Amino acid sequence: NAGVMQNPRHLVRRRGQEARLRCSPMKGHSHVYWYRQLPEEGLKFMVYLQKENIIDESGMPKERFSAEFPKEGPSILRIQQVVRGDSAAYFCASSRQGTDTQYFGPGTRLTVL
Amino acid sequence: KQEVTQIPAALSVPEGENLVLNCSFTDSAIYNLQWFRQDPGKGLTSLLLIQSSQREQTSGRLNASLDKSSGRSTLYIAASQPGDSATYLCAVITNAGKSTFGDGTTLTVKP
Repeated sequence: NAGVMQNPRHLVRRRGQEARLRCSPMKGHSHVYWYRQLPEEGLKFMVYLQKENIIDESGMPKERFSAEFPKEGPSILRIQQVVRGDSAAYFCASSRQGTDTQYFGPGTRLTVL
Repeated sequence: KQEVTQIPAALSVPEGENLVLNCSFTDSAIYNLQWFRQDPGKGLTSLLLIQSSQREQTSGRLNASLDKSSGRSTLYIAASQPGDSATYLCAVITNAGKSTFGDGTTLTVKP
């Protein structure tokens, strides 16, 4: 059973470009969470999704950020018009139920030049 | 708003020592609490999950306790080894599935 997969592992974008981060949950998991870890800071919750539904997006910046988890395919975190402050590690986690153990992917490290 | 605090922020101990990491949270309405380990530049590895109805969980040299009423959890590591060096994070989860993480304790175990 493969773990949570994220790609790309490293992503470099110039200011103003779009970043698309992908997360494939563990087999049998229908709950996905996105977190952001800024340099030298802790892990901050961004959004919690189930298949085709956003359950909680209270940690998501109001502008430029969006997330989806379609019926088929991976969950996508999309950042439009990236700025230098978006440079961070973005982690995805999945669980079988919303309150079960969360299993984390290796993260995508976004660098905005 | 839930706040999670971990003390100390950093800890350095000689190999073989037993140690305790602390986690406190402000809202006791949690569903469970999870301890993770994060190695530099890597993702998080789940160590232990304690349901709100439980008092403790054990895995090998690790023991985690939970006192929900006082908003505290501890992670006890017995006979520490250099390979235990990492950042340890605790997270509280509500029954709606939302997680709040502490900023972590960075542990260094010296040979």
